[in-house]
Amino acid sequence: QVQLVESGGGLVKPGGSLRLSCAASGFTFSDFYMTWIRQAPGKGLQWVSDISSDGSTMYYADSMRGRFTISRDNAKNSLDLQLNSLRVEDTAVYYCARARTMVRGVIITPYYFDYWGQGTLVTVSS
Amino acid sequence: DIQMTQSPSSLSASVGDRVTITCRASQSIRNYLNWYQQKPGKAPKLLIYAASSLQSGVPSRFSGSGSGTDFSLTISSLQPEDFATYYCQQSYSTPQALTFGGGTKVEIK
Repeated sequence: QVQLVESGGGLVKPGGSLRLSCAASGFTFSDFYMTWIRQAPGKGLQWVSDISSDGSTMYYADSMRGRFTISRDNAKNSLDLQLNSLRVEDTAVYYCARARTMVRGVIITPYYFDYWGQGTLVTVSS
Repeated sequence: DIQMTQSPSSLSASVGDRVTITCRASQSIRNYLNWYQQKPGKAPKLLIYAASSLQSGVPSRFSGSGSGTDFSLTISSLQPEDFATYYCQQSYSTPQALTFGGGTKVEIK
């Protein structure tokens, strides 16, 4: 069965860095777009970033572009999110999710998220 | 970014009730609208995609409708396990700015 297991969360000071990982199993990882979505404590869901199946194309939310970097290793069935220059407002549970895709024009692009990991908590505080 | 507004933000209902949650987009998103259910301390779960397509394994009491800017999620007969928070999500602006609604919490009356 499909499993996504995040790790790497923790407590970090403002301005610090953290690297999150997501281990995937139960499906052909290299066939799927993957996504990071976060949820601040008591708040709603916010899309963070996604990466194409071959790792060649990445997209970021405006507030995270330049600070966060998404990457993947298809040989290891793993997805990463490097978080730099962290701010208090980045405090959240970070979920990785598998994206189902559609064709829009000439590109393949995320459509909806059919499997999610259990999340990993990142706390940014001094 | 496309703004997604859900209403109500919370509701109280009884087991067996018919419940409808609405989601409005700030511009037309055609049928690029998905619904998720989230229980406390758990990851979201996909219920409906493309506005009205039921995800495999999701009970048929859940249904979705709408297109353009106005959408709804209906639970035909609320069950104890349905008490949760529900989120809509648009993918019209894919591959970027995939925005979610603010959520609707369904509580026991």
